[in-house]
Amino acid sequence: DTGVSQDPRHKITKRGQNVTFRCDPISEHNRLYWYRQTLGQGPEFLTYFQNEAQLEKSRLLSDRFSAERPKGSFSTLEIQRTEQGDSAMYLCASSLGLAGIQETQYFGPGTRLLVL
Amino acid sequence: QQQVKQSPQSLIVQKGGISIINCAYENTAFDYFPWYQQFPGKGPALLIAIRPDVSEKKEGRFTISFNKSAKQFSLHIMDSQPGDSATYFCAASEDSWGKLQFGAGTQVVVTP
Repeated sequence: DTGVSQDPRHKITKRGQNVTFRCDPISEHNRLYWYRQTLGQGPEFLTYFQNEAQLEKSRLLSDRFSAERPKGSFSTLEIQRTEQGDSAMYLCASSLGLAGIQETQYFGPGTRLLVL
Repeated sequence: QQQVKQSPQSLIVQKGGISIINCAYENTAFDYFPWYQQFPGKGPALLIAIRPDVSEKKEGRFTISFNKSAKQFSLHIMDSQPGDSATYFCAASEDSWGKLQFGAGTQVVVTP
């Protein structure tokens, strides 16, 4: 399967702990996106990378959140000092970005985070 | 503040019937309008997409109708099947690099 993969699929943590999620995009996709989805809602944009450069961060992404994409391959999303409001599904998507052309975003299965 | 408003929140349709989901937007800079399908425990998957230079696009049993002047677009699922039972999201983006703004979703249940 050459789709977007995410690890772990589920994470339960206690409030105040740090968590890190990993996303492996489709090979050769240069664009990588993180979204957050809460129950009964559509995904909300968090941040976006083109290759290794983080080009935009949503206001939803507080200073407790940090994302990286070293070498333009996989990406990690870290949440420090987790809060119960961080409980959500964290989705990663990737696309093969060509200048000026909208490309399909392919989503991974998500990481479901529960903060107790 | 949700930039794309989606309705209804849920709908039940009999097998063979037509499911219709509507979305509205305000941002006239949006120029790409995809629909995603999501099953429980899975990530969203692209179903069909349209750009504002066409008023309708059909792929199999799925059709998007687009009304640029009204800033509305809709998804029609013809001959609905039980396997179509899922949550459907409309979305929109304004940039070529595609940050997507999603609607709140419509849960569709197709009864046998």
